[in-house]
Amino acid sequence: DAMVIQNPRYQVTQFGKPVTLSCSQTLNHNVMYWYQQKSSQAPKLLFHYYDKDFNNEADTPDNFQSRRPNTSFCFLDIRSPGLGDAAMYLCATSRPQGARFTDTQYFGPGTRLTVL
Amino acid sequence: AQSVAQPEDQVNVAEGNPLTVKCTYSVSGNPYLFWYVQYPNRGLQFLLKYITGDNLVKGSYGFEAEFNKSQTSFHLKKPSALVSDSALYFCAVRHVYGGSQGNLIFGKGTKLSVKP
Repeated sequence: DAMVIQNPRYQVTQFGKPVTLSCSQTLNHNVMYWYQQKSSQAPKLLFHYYDKDFNNEADTPDNFQSRRPNTSFCFLDIRSPGLGDAAMYLCATSRPQGARFTDTQYFGPGTRLTVL
Repeated sequence: AQSVAQPEDQVNVAEGNPLTVKCTYSVSGNPYLFWYVQYPNRGLQFLLKYITGDNLVKGSYGFEAEFNKSQTSFHLKKPSALVSDSALYFCAVRHVYGGSQGNLIFGKGTKLSVKP
């Protein structure tokens, strides 16, 4: 089945130690998103790629970076995780077709990040 | 500014009874509205969306939603609730103007609890 895959599902890192979260998709969607979701809150968009074009949200801290080496993969790098970065990180994909902004975003299962 | 509101933090329903999860929106222009469900420690699953056309939208798992333009609402409904429907439900509207075009704006979520 076509899907959005996130690895690992659970990640533990130490305060200040760089960490990379991975997202891959078999949907061949050209847009990939990264969201941060803290406990039982709404997801907050960090950034997204439209093909190779990177779009950063204005309030996303510089500590968060992203890479998209090809259509299928997208990575979230946290350069120096703080305790406040502990959250669920969700990857989503979409494929704009037809009228603008009507495409559906499909989410992966998420990676829960713990910072010790 | 575009926004979406979910006025109830929690909805409690007995199994077999109809359920409604409320959502109201504020947008400029035509609204593109979405419902997602999130089970514990999982990503968001797409349920349904309203783009245009029939005001009653049918989605996954027997859910439906009614778009009401005059009341700016998009309430999620199901005729007969199941215990397995217990989850966190998010309403979202697509941001179609301004610097964050295309972004999903989520409500804060409503926790649905279905008791046997």
